[in-house]
Amino acid sequence: DAKTTQPNSMESNEEEPVHLPCNHSTISGTDYIHWYRQLPSQGPEYVIHGLTSNVNNRMASLAIAEDRKSSTLILHRATLRDAAVYYCILSLSLDSNYQLIWGAGTKLIIKP
Amino acid sequence: GAGVSQSPRYKVAKRGQDVALRCDPISGHVSLFWYQQALGQGPEFLTYFQNEAQLDKSGLPSDRFFAERPEGSVSTLKIQRTQQEDSAVDLCASSHDRMQYFGPGTRLTVT
Repeated sequence: DAKTTQPNSMESNEEEPVHLPCNHSTISGTDYIHWYRQLPSQGPEYVIHGLTSNVNNRMASLAIAEDRKSSTLILHRATLRDAAVYYCILSLSLDSNYQLIWGAGTKLIIKP
Repeated sequence: GAGVSQSPRYKVAKRGQDVALRCDPISGHVSLFWYQQALGQGPEFLTYFQNEAQLDKSGLPSDRFFAERPEGSVSTLKIQRTQQEDSAVDLCASSHDRMQYFGPGTRLTVT
């Protein structure tokens, strides 16, 4: 199964951009890259996903390397509410179903 | 609109008791997942439904764990004869278009 590698934790200052890296060197051609985040005592929350091209939405941007072996989640202007554990996950494509394999994630600490 | 809801939010069970955890997915979502999350870890897959069909139960840790979704909407995760190692947060998610929407989870503590 394809796995992801993320730093255990990162710190950033409020109102600055944050770049969260993820390595997935064994990714297969049909695997999507997903990012979720989990605030304390809450269920995970979808952030963004992509396959090959960079993606933008109102929450964040996803930059995918050309060889797809790594990706970066970009929060353009971090706020204190962005403090959470961020998970980079690959989905296994099995027919029309899929399953997400989660790692331990990156704990993002935002300093005021 | 209403998101995924789970009940109860907290459950304390004595070792050996049976528990039933409920998940109400987002209306119209065909796919439903159950995960278990230990403290400080990411969620671990338990089982997957498409409508009422349980298509993957490979993550259920033992035959004490059972999940059902008889009418393709509400799902129940049942744990029989609970053990201390079952203490965790059990998460339910329903999905649409490759995005999973999670409930708040049920924190199960077995004493």
